[in-house]
Amino acid sequence: NAGVTQTPKFRVLKTGQSMTLLCAQDMNHEYMYWYRQDPGMGLRLIHYSVGEGTTAKGEVPDGYNVSRLKKQNFLLGLESAAPSQTSVYFCASSRPVLVGYGYTFGSGTRLTVV
Amino acid sequence: GESVGLHLPTLSVQEGDNSIINCAYSNSASDYFIWYKQESGKGPQFIIDIRSNMDKRQGQRVTVLLNKTVKHLSLQIAATQPGDSAVYFCAEITGTASKLTFGTGTRLQVTL
Repeated sequence: NAGVTQTPKFRVLKTGQSMTLLCAQDMNHEYMYWYRQDPGMGLRLIHYSVGEGTTAKGEVPDGYNVSRLKKQNFLLGLESAAPSQTSVYFCASSRPVLVGYGYTFGSGTRLTVV
Repeated sequence: GESVGLHLPTLSVQEGDNSIINCAYSNSASDYFIWYKQESGKGPQFIIDIRSNMDKRQGQRVTVLLNKTVKHLSLQIAATQPGDSAVYFCAEITGTASKLTFGTGTRLQVTL
């Protein structure tokens, strides 16, 4: 099925460990985003990319790094996980023009840092 | 900073009634707004959008109203069904690259 695929779906990390979350989209979208969602809250933008090889910081970028080496993939890295990074992470993609359909979101990665 | 917020954290309605979910936004420069539905364990799902040069837009059983004078959005769901139970977010586009700013969400509970 066409869409946005996130891996893994669940992960438990110990404080200080590192990991990479993978996002893949097969819709040939130019823009990709990483958001985090804390309990009872809306999504907050971590990093985003407007094209292959380009990335930019969002609202809450500290503690995260990203890479977009291929148009269809957007990776989110945690170099040294902290309990404050316990959250649900959503990847999304879009065309430059959103009217009529907005973003396409993945189903999320639930990360717990202990 | 600029943000999008919601008035009611939880809304309970009876099946078949109409639902109205409200949202206040503070960035007067925003020109595009989207309503999302999020079911438990899933990502946000697009419902309907509206540009700032419009005051009303209708979809299937849903209507979005925009009042720029008071910076207020609402989502109306007609004949609410159990499948409408979810958390609803409004979001606005800020700046370039189509970045979304989300509100905190309203949980809609549909009772039988």
